[in-house]
Amino acid sequence: DAMVIQNPRYQVTQFGKPVTLSCSQTLNHNVMYWYQQKSSQAPKLLFHYYDKDFNNEADTPDNFQSRRPNTSFCFLDIRSPGLGDAAMYLCATSRDEGLAGGQDTQYFGPGTRLTVL
Amino acid sequence: DAKTTQPPSMDCAEGRAANLPCNHSTISGNEYVYWYRQIHSQGPQYIIHGLKNNETNEMASLIITEDRKSSTLILPHATLRDTAVYYCIVGYSTLTFGKGTMLLVSP
Repeated sequence: DAMVIQNPRYQVTQFGKPVTLSCSQTLNHNVMYWYQQKSSQAPKLLFHYYDKDFNNEADTPDNFQSRRPNTSFCFLDIRSPGLGDAAMYLCATSRDEGLAGGQDTQYFGPGTRLTVL
Repeated sequence: DAKTTQPPSMDCAEGRAANLPCNHSTISGNEYVYWYRQIHSQGPQYIIHGLKNNETNEMASLIITEDRKSSTLILPHATLRDTAVYYCIVGYSTLTFGKGTMLLVSP
């Protein structure tokens, strides 16, 4: 019954070593989102895809990139992780980008907790 | 920046109603009010949303004031499993999370 799946749940990487987090969905939703949530803080949107159209938040660091090869999968690439990038990374999906009158529920995955050593 | 203001924490006794307030005085005419919650170490979970009218579903009720500048999420019979951070979010499509309210339900 899993709808938004994130692998792995826990990821450890070394300072400066590229890392990729993955997200898949069984909902066939058009929109996929990546959020960063640092300890004791609220989730912060990094970017989202509406279908294949990539939308980057203005303050998302260049160190973060994303790929969406097909509807079901989306990847978050961190090119050179720093200690400050340690966080929970949340993937979410929604049917559309509010085009249906703004009523667009987001479904979140369980998150991947990234540790940078 | 988040466009909502919520109390940082609230307590509720198990079995009682939990009423979580949210101020959103700068809400625009086409923006919805969404409520999500996040149980510790899990991803956020959608609860309910509304535009102008009060809404109810199997999880909660949402009361929006007539001027739309504030709202209240009501959990009618809180259980221990409702202990979570509750986020009130105003927006149209993408979500900007504020700090939320940490609701602690106690026996």
